[in-house]
Amino acid sequence: ETGVTQSPTHLIKTRGQQVTLRCSSQSGHNTVSWYQQALGQGPQFIFQYYREEENGRGNFPPRFSGLQFPNYSSELNVNALELDDSALYLCASSLDGGWTYNEQFFGPGTRLTVL
Amino acid sequence: DQQVKQNSPSLSVQEGRISILNCDYTNSMFDYFLWYKKYPAEGPTFLISISSIKDKNEDGRFTVFLNKSAKHLSLHIVPSQPGDSAVYFCAASAKAAGNKLTFGGGTRVLVKP
Repeated sequence: ETGVTQSPTHLIKTRGQQVTLRCSSQSGHNTVSWYQQALGQGPQFIFQYYREEENGRGNFPPRFSGLQFPNYSSELNVNALELDDSALYLCASSLDGGWTYNEQFFGPGTRLTVL
Repeated sequence: DQQVKQNSPSLSVQEGRISILNCDYTNSMFDYFLWYKKYPAEGPTFLISISSIKDKNEDGRFTVFLNKSAKHLSLHIVPSQPGDSAVYFCAASAKAAGNKLTFGGGTRVLVKP
């Protein structure tokens, strides 16, 4: 059983550009969540996908969007990059358990720098 | 509006002694609480959790205490080891919000040999 992987490890973009970050969930996990961790802060919830549909969103603008695919992979897309988007982006996969909490397994993250 | 707060950004402790990390929350809907540990260049890894129906959960050297009336939880690490040096995040979840986690800002722990 492989863990959660993310690509790329590091990325540098300029303001106004678009970026796609990728995540490969643990096999069998039907839920993926994305978090943004700014320097010196805790991770902040961006959104969650369950069976390829968005299933909850945090306080992030629509230029943050995502996709989840049947093969346990997912993407986070950010349009019109701003300097404040510089952060570590973490994805976490889990097996949705309805009304019970199920452990989320985090990937190592993608460090995005916006210049 | 920070719903989960860790007021101590750092903690230094001697090897073998107890490490106590604190976390406060404001949202009464939170019913499940977790501690994650994070090393540089790695994602957070789950350490220990507690449901709101309990006030204590133990796992080896790690114990989490929950005081619902004070909206406060703490993590005790006894005895502390140099490998425990990492950033520790407190996180909370509410059934109504699915698996969404709300994290605190983290506490960096340094265990000195």
